[in-house]
Amino acid sequence: AQSVAQPEDQVNVAEGNPLTVKCTYSVSGNPYLFWYVQYPNRGLQFLLKYITGDNLVKGSYGFEAEFNKSQTSFHLKKPSALVSDSALYFCAVRDYGGSQGNLIFGKGTKLSVKP
Amino acid sequence: EAGVAQSPRYKIIEKRQSVAFWCNPISGHATLYWYQQILGQGPKLLIQFQNNGVVDDSQLPKDRFSAERLKGVDSTLKIQPAKLEDSAVYLCASSRGLADSYEQYFGPGTRLTVT
Repeated sequence: AQSVAQPEDQVNVAEGNPLTVKCTYSVSGNPYLFWYVQYPNRGLQFLLKYITGDNLVKGSYGFEAEFNKSQTSFHLKKPSALVSDSALYFCAVRDYGGSQGNLIFGKGTKLSVKP
Repeated sequence: EAGVAQSPRYKIIEKRQSVAFWCNPISGHATLYWYQQILGQGPKLLIQFQNNGVVDDSQLPKDRFSAERLKGVDSTLKIQPAKLEDSAVYLCASSRGLADSYEQYFGPGTRLTVT
């Protein structure tokens, strides 16, 4: 069965410092991987996806993610964090077991960026 | 374009009562999803519609949950009777079609509290 794991419940970063939010995956086929962000009292917003091609994927708001097949990881990164990046981040994988390839989400990582 | 709309935003009911949530997807989006997000967890798919047909309802507790999308646009999700463990945020999402099922657009959610 497909799954993703987000090992950190919370990540704390100072504004201007680089940030990394970790995600590892387990899939039976080629992984389709995604990052979503959830701001308070708002729905999830799509950030970026990896399907094939370059291992470094660029997304919205200056975020990028690095796909690493040998480590089965898909960590989210940003070179310089902003206070406004504080939110809940979800990693997701396409569910090949589902009838139409729906998404399976991790439990989320709360990112807190302090001024 | 207008986003996914949901109502109500908040609902408090007592156990054994019934409740209904409404969702209006992005115009032209054929695929609609209902997710349940329990505090501290990632969203879990309850049901997926393609136009007015059900594609996947394997994780919907059918003894108490029901959903419909009669005209292939708006959708309602109902719980009857509610249990304490149904307290969660119910998210509606839509995508252009099944081929784009991994790029979903989410509404703000309905926060349900069952007392």
